[in-house]
Amino acid sequence: DAKTTQPPSMDCAEGRAANLPCNHSTISGNEYVYWYRQIHSQGPQYIIHGLKNNETNEMASLIITEDRKSSTLILPHATLRDTAVYYCIVSKQAGTALIFGKGTTLSVSS
Amino acid sequence: DTGVSQDPRHKITKRGQNVTFRCDPISEHNRLYWYRQTLGQGPEFLTYFQNEAQLEKSRLLSDRFSAERPKGSFSTLEIQRTEQGDSAMYLCASSFTGTGSGYTFGSGTRLTIV
Repeated sequence: DAKTTQPPSMDCAEGRAANLPCNHSTISGNEYVYWYRQIHSQGPQYIIHGLKNNETNEMASLIITEDRKSSTLILPHATLRDTAVYYCIVSKQAGTALIFGKGTTLSVSS
Repeated sequence: DTGVSQDPRHKITKRGQNVTFRCDPISEHNRLYWYRQTLGQGPEFLTYFQNEAQLEKSRLLSDRFSAERPKGSFSTLEIQRTEQGDSAMYLCASSFTGTGSGYTFGSGTRLTIV
């Protein structure tokens, strides 16, 4: 699976949009971009995934660049409960297991 | 459905003892995964099952570790002759092939070796 690069930490003010970047320059054509988050002492939680097109669900939006070499996870109105470690992972949809990196620690403050 | 359940939530054991963890996945999920997570690190993949078949094992899974999913439902992870370095959070996840909806993780079992 392709590797990803994420900043180790980011800060965001409550109520503002949190934009978390991820670089995946070696992604192959059949690999998806997945985002998970992990709140302290809990298991990771699935957020969203996409292949080429931008995706939106009740939790977040995923913007993938046209060349698919990078993506951004957007939390439109961050709350204190969004403070967590966010993992960007690229993987084939079916088959091998997801491989987690160290992720980005997002701190939302009031 | 109550999600993925793991038991116990916490386990403290003496070095050299054997321990066994249990994972109950979401009932309609045919894939089950085990991960290990140490402080400050992302989850590390250990092994996964599709139904009762163990399809992939990480190099991290030494011969002291064994996992089973006998009837394609719940799974157990056993660690024999525990070592200090086995102290970690052990996470289980499940998914259904083909939906692409991602994994559902349990809350994990925190193992402490004393």
